[in-house]
Amino acid sequence: GAGVSQSPSNKVTEKGKDVELRCDPISGHTALYWYRQSLGQGLEFLIYFQGNSAPDKSGLPSDRFSAERTGGSVSTLTIQRTQQEDSAVYLCASSLKIGTGDYNEQFFGPGTRLTVL
Amino acid sequence: GNSVTQMEGPVTLSEEAFLTINCTYTATGYPSLFWYVQYPGEGLQLLLKATKADDKGSNKGFEATYRKETTSFHLEKGSVQVSDSAVYFCALGTLSGYSTLTFGKGTMLLVSP
Repeated sequence: GAGVSQSPSNKVTEKGKDVELRCDPISGHTALYWYRQSLGQGLEFLIYFQGNSAPDKSGLPSDRFSAERTGGSVSTLTIQRTQQEDSAVYLCASSLKIGTGDYNEQFFGPGTRLTVL
Repeated sequence: GNSVTQMEGPVTLSEEAFLTINCTYTATGYPSLFWYVQYPGEGLQLLLKATKADDKGSNKGFEATYRKETTSFHLEKGSVQVSDSAVYFCALGTLSGYSTLTFGKGTMLLVSP
């Protein structure tokens, strides 16, 4: 079946503009995760959703970042008033379920490369 | 908190050479350990995993053993191929309510013919 998809694949924006990044998880996966991959910084966890709920938003870098998920499927990560330090690859992953006492493999999308000029 | 430390790259090898990429971790509780691989232009893929001490994960000729006494999960392959050139990420996952992942910074492997 189809994997995790993300759009756009590349986004170039000017400092101060808002951007929206989209993630389509694998059908039936209830858990969805956002990560950020910055040059030289590895992967940084941002936020996760169980269904439409995001219980822990402490991983978001600042209040300019927000995320939502509707219908237990598509998720949108929004960055307001973008800054140059927001430039990174934003990765989305989904897994079948969480909190079951067993690890559920996360499947990653190809990412969105964001460049803030 | 949880953290993962892996050797810095790039690691440059000739085809058929032996590969080791070191990974150590700090975690509370009993984490599961993973190696992910990112081929050029592609997304992250799970390479192998181990969920408890002394488990050995293996896939595509790669192996890693969960060593609780040394808090390590080193990745090894006996004979690398050019097609193994990629970035390798060590990660740990804990259950504390949700199974998120903590990643190392990644190690680039370059294999020449």
